[in-house]
Amino acid sequence: GQQLNQSPQSMFIQEGEDVSMNCTSSSIFNTWLWYKQDPGEGPVLLIALYKAGELTSNGRLTAQFGITRKDSFLNISASIPSDVGIYFCAGSTNTGNQFYFGTGTSLTVIP
Amino acid sequence: ETGVTQTPRHLVMGMTNKKSLKCEQHLGHNAMYWYKQSAKKPLELMFVYSLEERVENNSVPSRFSPECPNSSHLFLHLHTLQPEDSALYLCASSQQGADEQFFGPGTRLTVL
Repeated sequence: GQQLNQSPQSMFIQEGEDVSMNCTSSSIFNTWLWYKQDPGEGPVLLIALYKAGELTSNGRLTAQFGITRKDSFLNISASIPSDVGIYFCAGSTNTGNQFYFGTGTSLTVIP
Repeated sequence: ETGVTQTPRHLVMGMTNKKSLKCEQHLGHNAMYWYKQSAKKPLELMFVYSLEERVENNSVPSRFSPECPNSSHLFLHLHTLQPEDSALYLCASSQQGADEQFFGPGTRLTVL
């Protein structure tokens, strides 16, 4: 199956700092999604990307669909304690078909 | 109720038990999914139903048996599970032809 490498695996940052994480695949994807998962809950969709080079924002979150279509980036600006959780990337080669998920980036924000 | 709901939220069962997980979506979607989430591993897609027909079965052992009686409900029937089947089981739904999948809160399953 497709391999998705997500990095870093974990991050410990001070409140107010910016955060960057990325996801790379061994294959070209047509869609990238970014999810956040809180403890004991299911993943919640943050941002969806459909075009190479696309840059999309959702509040303090910004994600980009890499030009090569094999990677994606998520940035969080001015982090706050409620940003704590695990962030997952997911990629798909075809609309409506199987998504492949990264292993997640665990974010801890220190007040 | 809105979104995707799952019951029970927690389940402990022995290896000889039979139990079922339930998922219900209130989003008007017509595709539903079962995923397994184990620690330190990516989400693993188990089954996909589109328009109530199973379209994907990713080499899942037969001790897991899905059922989709209508577009709003999805079940995962469990029997003679193994301890390594302990995980968080997530249900998701989407609109056929769209990419965004919406997840339920999951069922935390422990097999003793």
